[in-house]
Amino acid sequence: KQEVTQIPAALSVPEGENLVLNCSFTDSAIYNLQWFRQDPGKGLTSLLLIQSSQREQTSGRLNASLDKSSGRSTLYIAASQPGDSATYLCAGNAAGNNRKLIWGLGTSLAVNP
Amino acid sequence: EAGVTQFPSHSVIEKGQTVTLRCDPISGHDNLYWYRRVMGKEIKFLLHFVKESKQDESGMPNNRFLAERTGGTYSTLKVQPAELEDSGVYFCASSQLRTSGGGPYNEQFFGPGTRLTVL
Repeated sequence: KQEVTQIPAALSVPEGENLVLNCSFTDSAIYNLQWFRQDPGKGLTSLLLIQSSQREQTSGRLNASLDKSSGRSTLYIAASQPGDSATYLCAGNAAGNNRKLIWGLGTSLAVNP
Repeated sequence: EAGVTQFPSHSVIEKGQTVTLRCDPISGHDNLYWYRRVMGKEIKFLLHFVKESKQDESGMPNNRFLAERTGGTYSTLKVQPAELEDSGVYFCASSQLRTSGGGPYNEQFFGPGTRLTVL
């Protein structure tokens, strides 16, 4: 049974810092891993998707990596800005089911000016 | 290209009443999902349609929940009768299985959610 854990639960950093958000999963038979962003009261915005055959994906200041053997994914945010403040969620597929997503609780990020 | 839309954005009802949530997926997406987030808990899968067929409804809490996807287009999720524990944010997502250099992938795109409050 796939379970997803995110650490830390909350993070507060000064503007300009580089930071890393962690996501771990229990079943290495993962198909895709997606990182999402949620702003307060808003929906979920897909940031990056890493396929099981890939090691990382990059989009602008964001870089997500996937290490299936250790059951970990990290989201790296470079030169953080106040506009990056949001909740970041990772979600992976359940073993044997490449469709439905299993979610972590998220990391609440505050970037202070 | 229009994204996933959901209606209503908020709904406040009393215990025992009926509520119907609607989701319009991205045009051309065969896969449609419903998820729910209860306060303080992680987002949980409810069910998955492929076109008009229910592919997986293992996450549906009980028989008070009924989902349909007429003609493989929009979907509705009806809760009847609603209970207090049904309160939460209901998200809809859609996707189309694609293939790239890394193989097949299934990126899900989410709507803004419907916040349901049962009093």
